[in-house]
Amino acid sequence: EEQLVESGGKLVQPGGSLRLSCAASEFTFSSYWMHWVRQAPGTGLVWVSRISPDGGAATYADSVRGRFTVSRDNAKKTSSLQMTNLRLDDTAVYFCVREGGYDSNYKFYGMDVWGQGTTVTV
Amino acid sequence: QSALTQPPSASGTPGQRVTISCSGGSSDIGKNPVNWFRQLPGTAPKLLIYSNDQRPSGVPDRFSASKSATSASLAISGLQSEDEADYYCSTWDDSLNAPYVFGTGTTVTVL
Repeated sequence: EEQLVESGGKLVQPGGSLRLSCAASEFTFSSYWMHWVRQAPGTGLVWVSRISPDGGAATYADSVRGRFTVSRDNAKKTSSLQMTNLRLDDTAVYFCVREGGYDSNYKFYGMDVWGQGTTVTV
Repeated sequence: QSALTQPPSASGTPGQRVTISCSGGSSDIGKNPVNWFRQLPGTAPKLLIYSNDQRPSGVPDRFSASKSATSASLAISGLQSEDEADYYCSTWDDSLNAPYVFGTGTTVTVL
């Protein structure tokens, strides 16, 4: 079964740093864009960042640009989110998400596999 | 980064049909396919519908969806108690540097 497992979430002081990791299994990790999505307590889903299959391109939400850096290691099948200068409003569950490809009818899956999430409290 | 607009809540009795709307604009839903996710309490979201109206393997045909212009909708037929969850629409946004947007979310309650 295709799986994503996040780790690294914890309690951190405002202004601090934290590195989240996402480990993939049972699929060809290097073929997929990977995303990070967060959910603050009692609120909805918010897109944070994404990285290209080869790691050469990354995009960020305005709220985290300049503070967060996404990376990946295809050999280890992992994606990471380095978070610096953390703020109170960064408190959330952070999900690692795969951007799937196309089905047999060339329909785009979009975000299709989600990790269980890791909790960051600032 | 503006979210897509969904009603905050929807409800129905077992067996009924419930519909959830998702409203966007010309740069998001108007141009891109819509996905729907279901999030049970305390769990990660799960893909329910992709590419406007496609069900992934394992999703029952009680769930259906459609898209028209800048809006989309999800329908749940034969409502069951296990359908109590939060439902989110999502799509790409061509107008912003942040390329992906989610709906505000709808909590479905089975009465």
